[in-house]
Amino acid sequence: DAGVIQSPRHEVTEMGQEVTLRCKPISGHDYLFWYRQTMMRGLELLIYFNNNVPIDDSGMPEDRFSAKMPNASFSTLKIQPSEPRDSAVYFCASSLWDTYEQYFGPGTRLTVT
Amino acid sequence: AQKITQTQPGMFVQEKEAVTLDCTYDTSDQSYGLFWYKQPSSGEMIFLIYQGSYDEQNATEGRYSLNFQKARKSANLVISASQLGDSAMYFCAMREAALLTQGGSEKLVFGKGTKLTVNP
Repeated sequence: DAGVIQSPRHEVTEMGQEVTLRCKPISGHDYLFWYRQTMMRGLELLIYFNNNVPIDDSGMPEDRFSAKMPNASFSTLKIQPSEPRDSAVYFCASSLWDTYEQYFGPGTRLTVT
Repeated sequence: AQKITQTQPGMFVQEKEAVTLDCTYDTSDQSYGLFWYKQPSSGEMIFLIYQGSYDEQNATEGRYSLNFQKARKSANLVISASQLGDSAMYFCAMREAALLTQGGSEKLVFGKGTKLTVNP
């Protein structure tokens, strides 16, 4: 079975540009998570969805960040406008209710110059 | 407030020896879960082992075991018979279940990680 799929794997963009990261969770999973990993802050949860509904977005850094999940098989994380401090690896993960393992995607390495 | 503390930024171990990676946590909940993930240099996050706060036995998965000491709020990962492929970052994480009665909280909080190097 395919795992969590993220695209693109690498993104290089200039400050001020809009960036959209994409995630396809494992089929049948009802939770989807977006994480950001940096050297300074480690791995931190940005937002998570349950059955396509955002449950906790307290980790979203500011209004420049937005996330959507229009259906059970697709989610986006958008940054507009992007800034150099947004440079990080962004992970998407999914899980099933009442199980404990979150399955992570390969991550998107974002570089904002 | 920091919930997960991993005090060892880096650890070294000889191949075939055992190694313990430390993790302490802070929570006022009675029900919670503790996790360990491995992140090799390729970057993916790999789930290793889980311990529930009410589990009486320490969790084991192959060469991985979790030394759970509830009173001390520690959840150390023990890797037996280290292999070169064990060289990676290791992250401890916690899920608090305080909101389970209100629909559940799946939020994981991660520690800063420990870099393990296995020497031949």
